[in-house]
Amino acid sequence: DTGVSQNPRHKITKRGQNVTFRCDPISEHNRLYWYRQTLGQGPEFLTYFQNEAQLEKSRLLSDRFSAERPKGSFSTLEIQRTEQGDSAMYLCASSSAGGSYEQYFGPGTRLTVT
Amino acid sequence: DQQVKQNSPSLSVQEGRISILNCDYTNSMFDYFLWYKKYPAEGPTFLISISSIKDKNEDGRFTVFLNKSAKHLSLHIVPSQPGDSAVYFCAASAANNNNDMRFGAGTRLTVKP
Repeated sequence: DTGVSQNPRHKITKRGQNVTFRCDPISEHNRLYWYRQTLGQGPEFLTYFQNEAQLEKSRLLSDRFSAERPKGSFSTLEIQRTEQGDSAMYLCASSSAGGSYEQYFGPGTRLTVT
Repeated sequence: DQQVKQNSPSLSVQEGRISILNCDYTNSMFDYFLWYKKYPAEGPTFLISISSIKDKNEDGRFTVFLNKSAKHLSLHIVPSQPGDSAVYFCAASAANNNNDMRFGAGTRLTVKP
């Protein structure tokens, strides 16, 4: 199966610690997105890459958040000095270029900050 | 700002009957609409989409209707099956910014056997 994969699936951390999540998109997709989803809400856009370039960031992405996509393949999302409010499901999605709107999501990483 | 709204958090339907899930949007720049289905412990899965140049798109048991004047779309599932039980998200994007997709809060559909 060559769908979007995310690791880890679950992460429990203490407040103030740093965490990093990884996303491996569908191999032929050059666009990659990060979303955050909290209970009872739909996914909220965080940031977007086209190849290795980070082209857009949401105002939700505070200075404690950083995302990278070296070489335009996998991506990492790091949260520094985690806060309890960061507890959420972090979803990664990918899509192909050429006007396709459909994004294909990974299973997500559930972060719990205690 | 909630630009995409799904006002029904849950819907229960008998197997074999029609399920109708509704979605409203406020941004008139949105011109492409999608429905995603989400099972527990999985990411959302693309289901069906519609462009603003159409008012209907059908794929098997799933049909999406778009009413641009009312800024309303709906997803019809007929006949409903127990395996359709999931959370359904409505999403919208604009041609000038199709990377910023906005999602509704979701509707949990339960199809009873």
